[in-house]
Amino acid sequence: GESVGLHLPTLSVQEGDNSIINCAYSNSASDYFIWYKQESGKGPQFIIDIRSNMDKRQGQRVTVLLNKTVKHLSLQIAATQPGDSAVYFCAEDGGATNKLIFGTGTLLAVQP
Amino acid sequence: DARVTQTPRHKVTEMGQEVTMRCQPILGHNTVFWYRQTMMQGLELLAYFRNRAPLDDSGMPKDRFSAEMPDATLATLKIQPSEPRDSAVYFCASGLLYEQYFGPGTRLTVT
Repeated sequence: GESVGLHLPTLSVQEGDNSIINCAYSNSASDYFIWYKQESGKGPQFIIDIRSNMDKRQGQRVTVLLNKTVKHLSLQIAATQPGDSAVYFCAEDGGATNKLIFGTGTLLAVQP
Repeated sequence: DARVTQTPRHKVTEMGQEVTMRCQPILGHNTVFWYRQTMMQGLELLAYFRNRAPLDDSGMPKDRFSAEMPDATLATLKIQPSEPRDSAVYFCASGLLYEQYFGPGTRLTVT
């Protein structure tokens, strides 16, 4: 029979544009959030993290925004490049130390 | 450049055979995780250890899966007997507090 996989949300952007990837998290007790990038054939790679006592954190070309009121996390990538094409996962700690709960991921496709 | 290493990178085996996957965590990291990733289920936590002690293996089918840390430099995940539904990519990750650093994964195919 035909296999059915997870339907990954897909964001398609033009090279040079800014990208915004969104994530709704589940646990209001979560204190720590991470964004991971997974390229094809590789393991997830840490991008940026944020604690619940912050609402914004910036890295190199990336910014994470946290809205605890609506339990929403977003990752902004400035001047998106072809090398940014990957699946992006958000993860929360669920209020428990060390253990992370991963979202289903968003596929970012960068068009040249 | 410290990295998590995993062996083998690829494994093809027949149903019923034993499979052992190995992971070397980053030196100094005290927490080690095993994940499974499939198209159907996404990324699932199977088990994790802190200071070599198993803390949570609720995500693991206990009748056929076992995870151990014989020492601080080696974590193993064993499947016996393997089944076709175990086909997936298995990732090991290590960390200290909240961050987790993933290895390249072992792609397992059970025929």
